[in-house]
Amino acid sequence: EAGVAQSPRYKIIEKRQSVAFWCNPISGHATLYWYQQILGQGPKLLIQFQNNGVVDDSQLPKDRFSAERLKGVDSTLKIQPAKLEDSAVYLCASSSGRGATDTQYFGPGTRLTVL
Amino acid sequence: SQQGEEDPQALSIQEGENATMNCSYKTSINNLQWYRQNSGRGLVHLILIRSNEREKHSGRLRVTLDTSKKSSSLLITASRAADTASYFCATDEGGLVGTASKLTFGTGTRLQVTL
Repeated sequence: EAGVAQSPRYKIIEKRQSVAFWCNPISGHATLYWYQQILGQGPKLLIQFQNNGVVDDSQLPKDRFSAERLKGVDSTLKIQPAKLEDSAVYLCASSSGRGATDTQYFGPGTRLTVL
Repeated sequence: SQQGEEDPQALSIQEGENATMNCSYKTSINNLQWYRQNSGRGLVHLILIRSNEREKHSGRLRVTLDTSKKSSSLLITASRAADTASYFCATDEGGLVGTASKLTFGTGTRLQVTL
């Protein structure tokens, strides 16, 4: 079974530029998550989708971050404009979405460096 | 903000020794999960313990949960060099009915196992 795919793996941009990340979850998984992991910290949830609807985006900085999951499968996360403090690894995860003991499966992440 | 706080922040042991890391959290939970993260395999789910369980085993892993103290511990027995990684606890406070879990990760323990 294929895992969660993410691209690109690495991205370097200058501040105030925009950037987009792509995620393809495990086939059939209803729930998709985007996390931000700053160096030395644990992942922080940015947004959670159930199929193509948003369940939780309380920690998403909506003035510069946006995310969508069209057709309930792939998802993109965009940052516009980027700030220095956005340098982090952006992780995508998916789960079957069938209950409280779901296991989340993580992709390899996209390492973003903002100069 | 981070829900869980791991202790110690870093741990260095020799191969064959046991490694114990602890996690404390602040609010009521449905379950607590432990994840491992290394550069080779990304973030991987290790074990889940429900709030009504006190101890759980999986191979060389033993997890305990004390909900009265809001704490958990992860024990890795007979450690191997391949266990070198960061270990995170993640708490699930329960999401909306019919939706998947929402995890809040701790700060992590960096484990180094030397030959």
